[in-house]
Amino acid sequence: DTAVSQTPKYLVTQMGNDKSIKCEQNLGHDTMYWYKQDSKKFLKIMFSYNNKELIINETVPNRFSPKSPDKAHLNLHINSLELGDSAVYFCASSQYGIEREYTGELFFGEGSRLTVL
Amino acid sequence: AQSVAQPEDQVNVAEGNPLTVKCTYSVSGNPYLFWYVQYPNRGLQFLLKYITGDNLVKGSYGFEAEFNKSQTSFHLKKPSALVSDSALYFCAVTHETGANNLFFGTGTRLTVIP
Repeated sequence: DTAVSQTPKYLVTQMGNDKSIKCEQNLGHDTMYWYKQDSKKFLKIMFSYNNKELIINETVPNRFSPKSPDKAHLNLHINSLELGDSAVYFCASSQYGIEREYTGELFFGEGSRLTVL
Repeated sequence: AQSVAQPEDQVNVAEGNPLTVKCTYSVSGNPYLFWYVQYPNRGLQFLLKYITGDNLVKGSYGFEAEFNKSQTSFHLKKPSALVSDSALYFCAVTHETGANNLFFGTGTRLTVIP
């Protein structure tokens, strides 16, 4: 049973198109994230949701729009794709402790490799 | 602002030898420190963390790391490397008031030579 699953795993598309990546976690976690990993393997947070509420929104073009229909799902929609959007996008989840302490461990999906031509 | 430095892009070590992957950090407030490993075409996997308590933390697969506050370091170590340890290793940092925003280093590729 996959804990954090992303679809699609590979996505090849033309510049200017709109695409979505879906993410689901079955761990019962309350927090989900999108990270972007570029060709040099540099990993940067894009968004974070806690119980469906957006809590982190890094400096990301507004062509990127996350949506969390419930706390087990976090989707990423990208409008007007550009060459520079080519990367691997990772979804992750984590859980705050009972006393709201940060437990720190992120569970990552296997990534969605986006190639913009 | 928080930052993580992994000064070595690549570390090579012979199988059976001890390994060290270096990490230094900068953060305001108390640091929360993590190591993750990424195998080819896979997501990152949590190895170990330091949040509070003992400076030496033990994690998965025989790895350990030592928090050194004076040197602002959190180096990853293993006494005896295995070929299967070959992977990309990421150090990450956050702090208690910004705990949700994990900031990753640029990664170190570890190659264990048989």
